[in-house]
Amino acid sequence: AQKVTQAQTEISVVEKEDVTLDCVYETRDTTYYLFWYKQPPSGELVFLIRRNSFDEQNEISGRYSWNFQKSTSSFNFTITASQVVDSAVYFCALSEAKGRGSTLGRLYFGRGTQLTVWP
Amino acid sequence: DAGVTQSPTHLIKTRGQQVTLRCSPKSGHDTVSWYQQALGQGPQFIFQYYEEEERQRGNFPDRFSGHQFPNYSSELNVNALLLGDSALYLCASSSSMGYRSETQYFGPGTRLLVL
Repeated sequence: AQKVTQAQTEISVVEKEDVTLDCVYETRDTTYYLFWYKQPPSGELVFLIRRNSFDEQNEISGRYSWNFQKSTSSFNFTITASQVVDSAVYFCALSEAKGRGSTLGRLYFGRGTQLTVWP
Repeated sequence: DAGVTQSPTHLIKTRGQQVTLRCSPKSGHDTVSWYQQALGQGPQFIFQYYEEEERQRGNFPDRFSGHQFPNYSSELNVNALLLGDSALYLCASSSSMGYRSETQYFGPGTRLLVL
């Protein structure tokens, strides 16, 4: 069965601090996808990044970076020099690989981490 | 390029009533998935529609049903509402074609309150 664990329920930091959000996943599939979404108070889930299981290269996008390690089944998310606008709930999600010609399957979400950045 | 849209934004119902929520996918997408998000929880998968058929279903009772129309828009119906159905209902769209098929994009959600 697929499972995503976000052990950090809430994190508070002061602006300009770096913060890392942890994500650990479980799956028996050898091919799968991992995602991070951001949910501001408005409620809409905003897509941040997708990783394929066969691509362990870390990625950086501006102040955001992601560390994918299959050996520890982790996909952690780091925000550098955090800002007040980063305050939101962040979700890690896992999806099984889709078959040829088929659409992406269901997403399994963690319970989310509430990040609060204070000015 | 319009994103995923949902209606209504908020809804208040009483126990035992029925509700219909609507979703229009992102332009170019042909697949719609529905999720229920209770307060303080992560979204839970309800079902997915592709080619006007239910393709996958999560662990939800038959009171939850859906439909997809030829223009790819979708409806979620919930019968015999219970207090526990109060939640944010999220619609996500994706494409079955090529690289775009590997990500689901979410709408703003419908907040349902059952009294």
